[in-house]
Amino acid sequence: GAVVSQHPSWVICKSGTSVKIECRSLDFQATTMFWYRQFPKQSLMLMATSNEGSKATYEQGVEKDKFLINHASLTLSTLTVTSAHPEDSSFYICSARRILAGGLADTGELFFGEGSRLTVL
Amino acid sequence: GQSLEQPSEVTAVEGAIVQMNCTYQTSGFYGLSWYQQHDGGAPTFLSYNALDGLEETGRFSSFLSRSDSYGYLLLQELQMKDSASYFCAVRDNYGQNFVFGPGTRLSVLP
Repeated sequence: GAVVSQHPSWVICKSGTSVKIECRSLDFQATTMFWYRQFPKQSLMLMATSNEGSKATYEQGVEKDKFLINHASLTLSTLTVTSAHPEDSSFYICSARRILAGGLADTGELFFGEGSRLTVL
Repeated sequence: GQSLEQPSEVTAVEGAIVQMNCTYQTSGFYGLSWYQQHDGGAPTFLSYNALDGLEETGRFSSFLSRSDSYGYLLLQELQMKDSASYFCAVRDNYGQNFVFGPGTRLSVLP
């Protein structure tokens, strides 16, 4: 099956610093990747849709300048949390769609990375 | 707007059958997916319905009624390892966006 790898799994940083999280599709090309944020015992909140070669589309209420998303290749998207503060502490998860060849309809499946738990001190 | 509703918690015993419902209101609809997430882990795909009816995959079945904007996930022969959160997700906006429901936390008791 398709594999999405996310790094780092855990990160602890000081307030005011920036943290970069990588999301890689290992065995397929992902023109679209999604970034989510999840608080304990809550649902996945879509932050932004990352499109290869173009600007990300952010959900309402998500600060573009604080959560920088770059999708420079068909297998890599990065999320950078800039000037992190304790309220940014959360579980961040990426996912990717696998586009099938020949115009076939995909299964609607999203492939998720393992998630990155960010703690800002 | 987009909204999905799921019961917050369900409890059942090993070997039983449990049904978890999902109702949705979205601006567009292309399909309904179900995901399982254990505490601290990533969501994993369970099932997808684009058309009305029942889809079966082993112990898991998923149902969709587009006219009722309703679907459910059915788990049979429950096992302790099935204790997890289950999220429904709607594909909308020409299939580009995926919106997740609040999730149902399933607890399986011995």
